[in-house]
Amino acid sequence: DAGVTQSPTHLIKTRGQQVTLRCSPKSGHDTVSWYQQALGQGPQFIFQYYEEEERQRGNFPDRFSGHQFPNYSSELNVNALLLGDSALYLCASSLVSEYEQYFGPGTRLTVT
Amino acid sequence: GQQLNQSPQSMFIQEGEDVSMNCTSSSIFNTWLWYKQEPGEGPVLLIALYKAGELTSNGRLTAQFGITRKDSFLNISASIPSDVGIYFCAGRETSGSRLTFGEGTQLTVNP
Repeated sequence: DAGVTQSPTHLIKTRGQQVTLRCSPKSGHDTVSWYQQALGQGPQFIFQYYEEEERQRGNFPDRFSGHQFPNYSSELNVNALLLGDSALYLCASSLVSEYEQYFGPGTRLTVT
Repeated sequence: GQQLNQSPQSMFIQEGEDVSMNCTSSSIFNTWLWYKQEPGEGPVLLIALYKAGELTSNGRLTAQFGITRKDSFLNISASIPSDVGIYFCAGRETSGSRLTFGEGTQLTVNP
């Protein structure tokens, strides 16, 4: 039973560029949440997708956008990258009817 | 927004000792989750709590949902070297399913 997978593992981008991160949820899960984890801190909620719609959003600017596909996989897009966007980006999957979220290994984004 | 205060920030203990850590919130949560994160990996779910006063165990780990619904506790008994990592509490708001995380407790176990 495959867990949550994310790609790529690491990414280096230049300030001002755009980036797309990908996530495949755990088998059987229908809901995907994205979190940003800065070094030495706990994860911060970005947004959650269910039925291809953004269901809930945290305190992140519009530069952060997402998408969920019919197979429940998801993408996180960040435009006009800033140095402060450097972080570990975590994807978590769950069932819409339950509250336990299971995390992937994350994508380490470095903005130079 | 809601904030979670997690303490202690770090712990250095000897193998075999028991460990306690806790989280407190300024607001009420309906669900408390405890995660462990190791370097280069995502958080791994350890225990989920759904009712005020609930006490749940997972092996040597025991967690409690505080009766005020504003706090939660995690205990690890008879620690072993593989317990090393960062432990996070996470709370779910009364509405929606977003998780708010604490700052983490870094646990070091000396053999």
